[in-house]
Amino acid sequence: QQQVKQSPQSLIVQKGGISIINCAYENTAFDYFPWYQQFPGKGPALLIAIRPDVSEKKEGRFTISFNKSAKQFSLHIMDSQPGDSATYFCAAAIRITGTASKLTFGTGTRLQVTL
Amino acid sequence: NAGVMQNPRHLVRRRGQEARLRCSPMKGHSHVYWYRQLPEEGLKFMVYLQKENIIDESGMPKERFSAEFPKEGPSILRIQQVVRGDSAAYFCASSRDTGEAFFGQGTRLTVV
Repeated sequence: QQQVKQSPQSLIVQKGGISIINCAYENTAFDYFPWYQQFPGKGPALLIAIRPDVSEKKEGRFTISFNKSAKQFSLHIMDSQPGDSATYFCAAAIRITGTASKLTFGTGTRLQVTL
Repeated sequence: NAGVMQNPRHLVRRRGQEARLRCSPMKGHSHVYWYRQLPEEGLKFMVYLQKENIIDESGMPKERFSAEFPKEGPSILRIQQVVRGDSAAYFCASSRDTGEAFFGQGTRLTVV
């Protein structure tokens, strides 16, 4: 019940195209859904995040769509660029204390944006 | 404004040795989390600590692994008697009382 399922495992998109990564969860206690970007040899960096009371959030070329009833959320990268080539992780957070949460990560999507 | 500092970046240990991984949180951050990333997998939560207290260690293996976050100094993740299956990237993250957790660059442990 703690799992977050992520697909696809890998994705190749042409420059200028739209990259779409999907995630699904089971545990309704999750209350925060961030996406992380990770380059080789680096730690994950927060890209964008959403709370379940919102159906969509957009920041620049990055959009999260959230479907609470289906327990699914997705990341859309518009106008994909070669610099976006990285591994993307969805995550879901559950509260440990009033001020802290622990993250359950998806298995990652390796995105390659070609010229 | 230094980020979360982890050292060493790479650590090689022989089977049976001890591995000590260090994490200095960002300035003003009192919450520290440790995650483990196996090759080609997502990160798995291990432990959450505040100063001098372990709050949630539900992801820690029951044996050989321990963590601390003393009043002074960095948080330490200690792995005793390492085995090949401990080879992974270990990431530390820190946060304030509210707000996002920021990740360090990780320590890549190789057990030979």
